[in-house]
Amino acid sequence: ELKVEQNPLFLSMQEGKNYTIYCNYSTTSDRLYWYRQDPGKSLESLFVLLSNGAVKQEGRLMASLDTKARLSTLHITAAVHDLSATYFCAVGPLNYGGSQGNLIFGKGTKLSVKP
Amino acid sequence: NAGVTQTPKFQVLKTGQSMTLQCAQDMNHNSMYWYRQDPGMGLRLIYYSASEGTTDKGEVPNGYNVSRLNKREFSLRLESAAPSQTSVYFCASSATGLLGHGTDTQYFGPGTRLTVL
Repeated sequence: ELKVEQNPLFLSMQEGKNYTIYCNYSTTSDRLYWYRQDPGKSLESLFVLLSNGAVKQEGRLMASLDTKARLSTLHITAAVHDLSATYFCAVGPLNYGGSQGNLIFGKGTKLSVKP
Repeated sequence: NAGVTQTPKFQVLKTGQSMTLQCAQDMNHNSMYWYRQDPGMGLRLIYYSASEGTTDKGEVPNGYNVSRLNKREFSLRLESAAPSQTSVYFCASSATGLLGHGTDTQYFGPGTRLTVL
């Protein structure tokens, strides 16, 4: 069974602190995505990681991928309130169904950054 | 570009009623997807269309049908709505389903909030 597990599922942080969200997946994959969802809104693409050791950074967020460990991390540096949202990782497993574009999503990490 | 659009934004149905959720994209994408999002469950794939003229079942297809009307449009139909289908439905599209051709990032529509009483 294909599984994508995120932890933690809930994260309450203080502004200015650092933290990491973890995404483990159970199948071989060559693509991993991070999305952000604000309450009541749609999903917004943050990062696409396509190779082992890939690292992408945007502002206070940095994502990395270790395909051998089947692990991706989303690191938050000096959190600010505007980062409060739910973050999803999604994995594109090889040969999943009839489309290489299909993704399996984790359950999401709800991040709350408090002053 | 509008990206991915969905109609309606909100809908309330009674058990047994039918309805069609509409989705359109203007990015010339080949692949389109329908997901449902339930609290604590993440997103689950209902149906997808890898290219115009093809559709396939995803993880949770029961109770739904789809039509890929043309390259732009992909509709989701509930023939006889049930309370278990109360959810938020997202349509998404990506450039291609072919490995090695692009990043296959999926772009999502604004969602349809459906309540079945």
